[in-house]
Amino acid sequence: AQTVTQSQPEMSVQEAETVTLSCTYDTSESDYYLFWYKQPPSRQMILVIRQEAYKQQNATENRFSVNFQKAAKSFSLKISDSQLGDAAMYFCAYRGRGNTPLVFGKGTRLSVIA
Amino acid sequence: DGGITQSPKYLFRKEGQNVTLSCEQNLNHDAMYWYRQDPGQGLRLIYYSQIVNDFQKGDIAEGYSVSREKKESFPLTVTSAQKNPTAFYLCASKFRLPANTGELFFGEGSRLTVL
Repeated sequence: AQTVTQSQPEMSVQEAETVTLSCTYDTSESDYYLFWYKQPPSRQMILVIRQEAYKQQNATENRFSVNFQKAAKSFSLKISDSQLGDAAMYFCAYRGRGNTPLVFGKGTRLSVIA
Repeated sequence: DGGITQSPKYLFRKEGQNVTLSCEQNLNHDAMYWYRQDPGQGLRLIYYSQIVNDFQKGDIAEGYSVSREKKESFPLTVTSAQKNPTAFYLCASKFRLPANTGELFFGEGSRLTVL
C-alpha cells in the first residue's frame, strides 16, 4: 500500500520569508499524481498545487512551487513571500493510476510570524 | 453555486446511539468519499463510492456504514460499534473519468462528539 510521510509536524516562518514543507511517499507505480492541500482554521480543504508524475517540470502556482524528485520519491512544497493567510495545516497526498482514493500524510502545521 | 454540503456541522451523540452524517453534492461528480480526521493522524479513508449503488471499504471502515442510492448523496452512518467516534468527518467528491487529474473537492466537514 502507498504511504505518504510528512516528517515535520510543525513549522514556522517569518512573514515575507520562504519556507519549505517536506513530503516523501512510497510507491511501486510509475504513473501517479501528487497534491498539496491547505486546511486553514475554517477547516475547509483547499487544493494548493498538483503534480503529474510523468511531467518532469515542477508545478508552480503563484507563490507556491514544488520540488518533485521522482527517483527519491520526494515532493516538497515551497512557499515564497509568506503571508499571514498562509498559516494552516498542509497535507501532502498521493493518488495512483485509475480511480484509487487519495492517500494523505499526517500534515504539517505552518505558523506565520508577523 | 456548485459544491458539497455536509450536515450537520456539529453533532453530539450519546454512547450507544447511531448517527448519520449527510453529504450532498451538485457538481455532477461520480465518486464520493468519506474521510476521518483526528489530531496528528491526517485524513484516513472510511468508505468511498465510484458509482451509484456501489461502494468500497477504506482503511478504517469498521463501525461505519454508507449507502449510495443517488449520485448526489453519500450519507455516512456512525454506528454504536465504532469504539472512538469523536472526530472531524470530511466528505469529498470528484469525477471518475481517468482523464481527470483526480482533484478532490471537499465539504466543510462535520464535527461529531460522543458524550
